[in-house]
Amino acid sequence: EPEVTQTPSHQVTQMGQEVILRCVPISNHLYFYWYRQILGQKVEFLVSFYNNEISEKSEIFDDQFSVERPDGSNFTLKIRSTKLEDSAMYFCASGTGYNSPLHFGNGTRLTVT
Amino acid sequence: AQRVTQPEKLLSVFKGAPVELKCNYSYSGSPELFWYVQYSRQRLQLLLRHISRESIKGFTADLNKGETSFHLKKPFAQEEDSAMYYCALSGQGGSEKLVFGKGTKLTVNP
Repeated sequence: EPEVTQTPSHQVTQMGQEVILRCVPISNHLYFYWYRQILGQKVEFLVSFYNNEISEKSEIFDDQFSVERPDGSNFTLKIRSTKLEDSAMYFCASGTGYNSPLHFGNGTRLTVT
Repeated sequence: AQRVTQPEKLLSVFKGAPVELKCNYSYSGSPELFWYVQYSRQRLQLLLRHISRESIKGFTADLNKGETSFHLKKPFAQEEDSAMYYCALSGQGGSEKLVFGKGTKLTVNP
């Protein structure tokens, strides 16, 4: 069964550094998402992406965040200047259509020191 | 505002006992409700959605619009059901994002 894959599984970075989290969604999926989960808290929506543009973003997704689908297979989340509070598990997800069930990756644990 | 509430952070039952994981939601329109499950060291995966009206791994969930609830039930819990369970909501005709509850950690003891 096809899966959403995320790399790396764990990323440690220093405050102020840029990080890029990578995701390869399921190949025939059209809708792509990033969610995050701070330790002990709920899974929170960050951004959705469809037809090569952001379709919705949350208030968490400020100017420090950006997403890109550079080559038709990868879907990346960039954090320009990381803060301590960006430490969380970041999940990529993809789906086939509007309100379709989402398929999640295993997540990238980001630790900002 | 869209909100999903799972009042129990932890739930512990014995094997063979019935289990009910509670979920209440707040949404002004007609939402679509889901249960996602995360087994130890595995990814979040869809367990069931209300429009499917199906039973997965013995679990069922009925959408009660009057009580704005979508509780997850299983008559006889198994040890392999131990996992984190997340209730989630998606708005119809508008936002496609999922809004998650905080999750309930279910432990089924032998």
